[in-house]
Amino acid sequence: DAGVTQSPTHLIKTRGQQVTLRCSPKSGHDTVSWYQQALGQGPQFIFQYYEEEERQRGNFPDRFSGHQFPNYSSELNVNALLLGDSALYLCASSRSGEEFQPQHFGDGTRLSIL
Amino acid sequence: GDSVTQMEGPVTLSEEAFLTINCTYTATGYPSLFWYVQYPGEGLQLLLKATKADDKGSNKGFEATYRKETTSFHLEKGSVQVSDSAVYFCALLYNFNKFYFGSGTKLNVKP
Repeated sequence: DAGVTQSPTHLIKTRGQQVTLRCSPKSGHDTVSWYQQALGQGPQFIFQYYEEEERQRGNFPDRFSGHQFPNYSSELNVNALLLGDSALYLCASSRSGEEFQPQHFGDGTRLSIL
Repeated sequence: GDSVTQMEGPVTLSEEAFLTINCTYTATGYPSLFWYVQYPGEGLQLLLKATKADDKGSNKGFEATYRKETTSFHLEKGSVQVSDSAVYFCALLYNFNKFYFGSGTKLNVKP
């Protein structure tokens, strides 16, 4: 049973570029959440997708957008990259109707902005 | 708003020492509380959880009790091992599966 998988594992971009990160949820999960983890910090909630729609959003600018596909996989897009966007981006999945149950995390994509 | 505060690290202990990592939270309702662990180069792994007041979560020798009166969820282990070296995150789950994480506490265990 595959857990949450993310790709790529590492990515290097320059300021102003755009990036797309991908996530496949754990089998049986239909909800995907994205988090940004800056070095030495805890993960910060970006947004959550359910039924192909953004269900809720954290305190991140519109440069951060996402998408969920019919197979529940998800993408995180970041436009006009800034140096401060350098971080580990974590995807987590869960099953709807099981609120208050833990999310399952992938190993993340390490994004470096030069 | 909802938030989690953890004790700052790093915490350095000798093998077999007793561990406490403090965590307090602020929440407008009745959240579930979790401890996650992150090993170098990896994502977060669930360590333990508690979903209501006075619940005790436990796993792999780690324990934490949900204290509503002190809004705390301190992590404890009676005898740490070198393999426990990692970063530990306290988290609050509230409002439709949205996690609030603390800033993490790095634990170093020396042989």
